[in-house]
Amino acid sequence: DGGITQSPKYLFRKEGQNVTLSCEQNLNHDAMYWYRQDPGQGLRLIYYSQIVNDFQKGDIAEGYSVSREKKESFPLTVTSAQKNPTAFYLCASSIAGVVPQHFGDGTRLSIL
Amino acid sequence: GQQLNQSPQSMFIQEGEDVSMNCTSSSIFNTWLWYKQDPGEGPVLLIALYKAGELTSNGRLTAQFGITRKDSFLNISASIPSDVGIYFCAGQGNTPLVFGKGTRLSVIA
Repeated sequence: DGGITQSPKYLFRKEGQNVTLSCEQNLNHDAMYWYRQDPGQGLRLIYYSQIVNDFQKGDIAEGYSVSREKKESFPLTVTSAQKNPTAFYLCASSIAGVVPQHFGDGTRLSIL
Repeated sequence: GQQLNQSPQSMFIQEGEDVSMNCTSSSIFNTWLWYKQDPGEGPVLLIALYKAGELTSNGRLTAQFGITRKDSFLNISASIPSDVGIYFCAGQGNTPLVFGKGTRLSVIA
């Protein structure tokens, strides 16, 4: 079954710790995206990548980093510089690199 | 960044009623999308609109791309309990996709 797999489903971070969220897709999509969702808010774009080894900052990239070494993988690292990391993180992918159409089921990150 | 105004913020309706929600933008968009999100899951694409004036249906759902390219609406007819969830609009112009804050729909049986 084709789709986007995000792991883990739940993640806890200690103060000063970096954590990495995994996103893998087997849809053969060129573009991948990371969004952050806070309660009562829409989705805000963190980073996106339209091709392997290339990515661009979204609206709220500060405190986050990404890599795109393989077409099917787009991991997101939440660094200690992100002072308010508690949120629901969603990964998405698309065919043409223009419009996200498929989302994963998200990772909920909390601070210990 | 760009902002979308989505309304209403929430709505409570009786099963069987029709529902209407809309999004407006200060910017022109080339694409409008409507998604539904269930608790703890990712959004699922319901309808995509690519042309001003376009009216598209998906079962009981109907969405339109406004003629000014600055708005879109979604209608749900004869609501059922499984329609419960958060509905998001999203628009794209010359920048990456922008999302509204969502309409939380509750259906009373």
